[in-house]
Amino acid sequence: EIVMTQSPATLSVSPGERATLSCRASQSVSSDLAWYQQKPGQAPRLLIFGASTRATGIPARFSGRGSGTEFTLTISSLQSEDFAFYFCQQYNKWPPSTFGQGTKVEIK
Amino acid sequence: EVQLVESGGGLVQPGRSLRLSCAASGFTFDDYAMHWVRQVPGKGLEWVSGISWNRGTIVYADSVKGRFTIARDDAKNSLFLQMNSLRAEDMAFYYCVKDFGPMLRGIFDYWGQGTLVTVSS
Repeated sequence: EIVMTQSPATLSVSPGERATLSCRASQSVSSDLAWYQQKPGQAPRLLIFGASTRATGIPARFSGRGSGTEFTLTISSLQSEDFAFYFCQQYNKWPPSTFGQGTKVEIK
Repeated sequence: EVQLVESGGGLVQPGRSLRLSCAASGFTFDDYAMHWVRQVPGKGLEWVSGISWNRGTIVYADSVKGRFTIARDDAKNSLFLQMNSLRAEDMAFYYCVKDFGPMLRGIFDYWGQGTLVTVSS
């Protein structure tokens, strides 16, 4: 099973600033990496798949990069609605498809 | 608009069974693979099971293999999860999730709001 490790656990950012979240895979997952956003009391929402492709309706301030074992999600200018949990997920070698433990983006 | 509405969660004793349902609308249900993903409140996400569009591929997480069964009824646009021999560690929100395509690609593009399963005596 591929282990996904996200860092940091919590990221404190001021509105309007840039946030960079990291995700590392225990072995190569090529570009088969997705990012999800989850707000309290809500289901996750797909942001990015294929490491860098934005899902339908996702604003351009969200961008993903990486391949192999190292990935990043960048939010270029944080809006109030972006403060949430973010999870990465690999879908290269499965079952099982595995998720990272999440990064909480909070208001500084 | 894609909608996935889960039902069937609740309180159940260890060792008992529960059947979850998911009603899908807003897309051609029988063209897509579907999954169940669970989340312990306040914790991370765990993929549970997936079924391809034609039921040709069905897969389970090791943690539920032999106890859970996924099924779909395309005529009713519905997905199911039969959960037997429930354990305390199965307690979680269970999400019905649509895949990006017909096969088990693993890109989860739409999620239901979840149904809570509580396992306790």
